[in-house]
Amino acid sequence: QSALTQPPSASGSPGQSVTISCTGTSSDVGTYNYVSWYQQHPGKAPKLMIYEVSKRPSGVPDRFSGSKSGNTASLTVSGLQAEDEANYYCSSYAGNYNVVFGGGTKLTVL
Amino acid sequence: QVQLVESGGDLVQPGGSLRLSCAASGLTLSDHYMIWMRQAPGKGLEWVSYIVKSGSNMYYADSVKGRFTISRDIAKNSLILQMNSLRADDTAVYYCARVMTTATLDIWGQGTMVTVSS
Repeated sequence: QSALTQPPSASGSPGQSVTISCTGTSSDVGTYNYVSWYQQHPGKAPKLMIYEVSKRPSGVPDRFSGSKSGNTASLTVSGLQAEDEANYYCSSYAGNYNVVFGGGTKLTVL
Repeated sequence: QVQLVESGGDLVQPGGSLRLSCAASGLTLSDHYMIWMRQAPGKGLEWVSYIVKSGSNMYYADSVKGRFTISRDIAKNSLILQMNSLRADDTAVYYCARVMTTATLDIWGQGTMVTVSS
């Protein structure tokens, strides 16, 4: 059982927006602004998409955005494209040198 | 070009040992916190161990504490994970990654598969 809770699946049509939630507790997401999101295509390594809740690394399209409210963080993908179909994982710092992850959400582009 | 390349994954019997390496190019490992992550087949991501920039402190997930050891080979600019007393639930793809900022992994290797089975 993962420390952070994500929906197992999400979907949307090309051009639409989809939001993936990541629910933690006051010991991780609720306290620290160190929430990251990773995209992983089958058989590939994870790729950092969002860090520190809402920052985008260089090269990540601005269609990807992150936010946080209370103990829940969210990843929004706008203008869905076929290549966005992947698994998405959230993570959060949890203090005491610990990082917790969500179980992952499979995003399907219909 | 910054790149991390893992090696050393193999099929090993329960109770056995394995040594994973992560060779870095385009960055100096001793300038960064580095981490080993793993992903069991069809499962999510789990942090295994990380080492601070100075090399003076190492941290381990409870699931591997006392069995795994993280280290660096400065001369080879490589990150090492020595895995002893392996168990079936250690079966996973093991990734090394750079820790960019707190709990943020920005550069990942391609992974190396470790299978623990008799």
